[in-house]
Amino acid sequence: NAGVTQTPKFQVLKTGQSMTLQCAQDMNHEYMSWYRQDPGMGLRLIHYSVGAGITDQGEVPNGYNVSRSTTEDFPLRLLSAAPSQTSVYFCASSLSTGHYGYTFGSGTRLTVV
Amino acid sequence: KNEVEQSPQNLTAQEGEFITINCSYSVGISALHWLQQHPGGGIVSLFMLSSGKKKHGRLIATINIQEKHSSLHITASHPRDSAVYICAAAYSGGGADGLTFGKGTHLIIQP
Repeated sequence: NAGVTQTPKFQVLKTGQSMTLQCAQDMNHEYMSWYRQDPGMGLRLIHYSVGAGITDQGEVPNGYNVSRSTTEDFPLRLLSAAPSQTSVYFCASSLSTGHYGYTFGSGTRLTVV
Repeated sequence: KNEVEQSPQNLTAQEGEFITINCSYSVGISALHWLQQHPGGGIVSLFMLSSGKKKHGRLIATINIQEKHSSLHITASHPRDSAVYICAAAYSGGGADGLTFGKGTHLIIQP
């Protein structure tokens, strides 16, 4: 089925470890983004991309890195995990920003101990 | 900073009741999204609208551009409607920084 595939669904990391959250879409969407969802707060934008080779920072980019080598894939890297990065992460894609609907991945629940 | 405010934060109702969730936002949006998230689940897009009204089954979304306000209505509510409903604004101020989200409304429909 067409959509956004996010892996893994669950992950436990130790402080200081690094890891990559994978996100792939097969809808030829130009815009992709990563959000984190924390209790009592709305989803917050970490990084986004408007096309292959183009990425930019969102509201809470510190401690995260992204790349967009293809239209389909937009991985999120945690460079040195910290307990403050314990959260649920969502990847989303859209044809473009603003006037188009968004498709979300199923989320990754990350715990940093 | 552009903000999106939702009310109520929590809502418990009986099956069959008419439900209204409200969303207000700052100036200059290009579109307003309504999303649904079931407990422990992913996020599903319900509506995207920039004017007027949209309907899908028992769900209706309206937007008043002048008042900077949108509502999501659920008619003949059912326990399976229990979820978090999230309002998100796409601001038209330039740039490509995606959506600004409200904190969500946690809806419980009791049988």
